[in-house]
Amino acid sequence: KNEVEQSPQNLTAQEGEFITINCSYSVGISALHWLQQHPGGGIVSLFMLSSGKKKHGRLIATINIQEKHSSLHITASHPRDSAVYICAVHGGSQGNLIFGKGTKLSVKP
Amino acid sequence: NAGVTQTPKFQVLKTGQSMTLQCAQDMNHEYMSWYRQDPGMGLRLIHYSVGAGITDQGEVPNGYNVSRSTTEDFPLRLLSAAPSQTSVYFCASSPDLLNTIYFGEGSWLTVV
Repeated sequence: KNEVEQSPQNLTAQEGEFITINCSYSVGISALHWLQQHPGGGIVSLFMLSSGKKKHGRLIATINIQEKHSSLHITASHPRDSAVYICAVHGGSQGNLIFGKGTKLSVKP
Repeated sequence: NAGVTQTPKFQVLKTGQSMTLQCAQDMNHEYMSWYRQDPGMGLRLIHYSVGAGITDQGEVPNGYNVSRSTTEDFPLRLLSAAPSQTSVYFCASSPDLLNTIYFGEGSWLTVV
């Protein structure tokens, strides 16, 4: 069983829709990262969470430590949001990031 | 501010050849790491470093060497390339894993 599970694996949405991507993990963590990987391959950090909620523009990330679950929300989705979204957890041991397999999002105009 | 610079971007190697993937950061970050990304799998940690002179193995270290002689540079060496090492490689840096992680643009490596 993977220690970090993301759902859904693939997601297609119409422009303007509200999107939710989920991440569940089975280990104790110090921090959780949400990353975005565009078709060209580059990876960009969106959020680092250790508790609660963070917001940046149309993106919102939440984490529930007790339930070992995090969500990434995109409001008013746009075709430029099309990318792979990756959840990664810092399990506490030095240098150890565990990655989910990613959620591929496609937003149609 | 260049961030994390990885070279080369594309490389084709023959089985048995050796090569070095270069990674440099100009943000004075202590933590640097190398990952490989394969289809259908998440990013996997190869090696990491928490400061100059300190390195450690990640999940998939076999066939790779690293060194960290300066804070800025963290090269990844393939000792004797194998087709199983065909992958996309990413270097990353951060002050520590409780802060934003910065990734290089990736290196596409094909071993034939």
